[in-house]
Amino acid sequence: DQQVKQNSPSLSVQEGRISILNCDYTNSMFDYFLWYKKYPAEGPTFLISISSIKDKNEDGRFTVFLNKSAKHLSLHIVPSQPGDSAVYFCAASTGNQFYFGTGTSLTVIP
Amino acid sequence: ETGVTQTPRHLVMGMTNKKSLKCEQHLGHNAMYWYKQSAKKPLELMFVYNFKEQTENNSVPSRFSPECPNSSHLFLHLHTLQPEDSALYLCASSQGLAGGPAYEQYFGPGTRLTVT
Repeated sequence: DQQVKQNSPSLSVQEGRISILNCDYTNSMFDYFLWYKKYPAEGPTFLISISSIKDKNEDGRFTVFLNKSAKHLSLHIVPSQPGDSAVYFCAASTGNQFYFGTGTSLTVIP
Repeated sequence: ETGVTQTPRHLVMGMTNKKSLKCEQHLGHNAMYWYKQSAKKPLELMFVYNFKEQTENNSVPSRFSPECPNSSHLFLHLHTLQPEDSALYLCASSQGLAGGPAYEQYFGPGTRLTVT
């Protein structure tokens, strides 16, 4: 039973345009959400997070939006750069438990 | 370089072998984690340690035995594994377990384990 889902396994975007990565969750008890980026042969790297009491958090080119009523999380990257090409994982936590999605592979085309 | 190292990076072992995975963090964090990532599956949290004490064990089979001698080191001892245990094993650390920024986990590169 997957509590965090990323339904798009892959996404291709032109350089300079916006990349939108989506994540859905089922557990209303999740209180913290995170996005990670992963390059091949490396572990995931923390990117940005948001508390459940907020609906938006911005850090440079990266913005995370949280829609609690829809149990939906999204990551916006603007403008997208070729170096952003990686696998992106969303994660959610409650207590000491962490749940990850299966990842979305983003390709930014120069 | 994330400050979390794992050795070995690759491991092939038979079902009757005993081996150990090692993780070390140089970030001054207090919490450490073991995750398993199987092909086409999400990362699965296996164990959580906070200040050397195990706080979570997510129904992991006893053939996986964690050890945390101090806040900087974490081991995963393996014995009599099955072929389905072949996966990428990732270690992570975080400042703490409280909510907010303390949740941000820093991952090592992982150990690719193959059980033959």
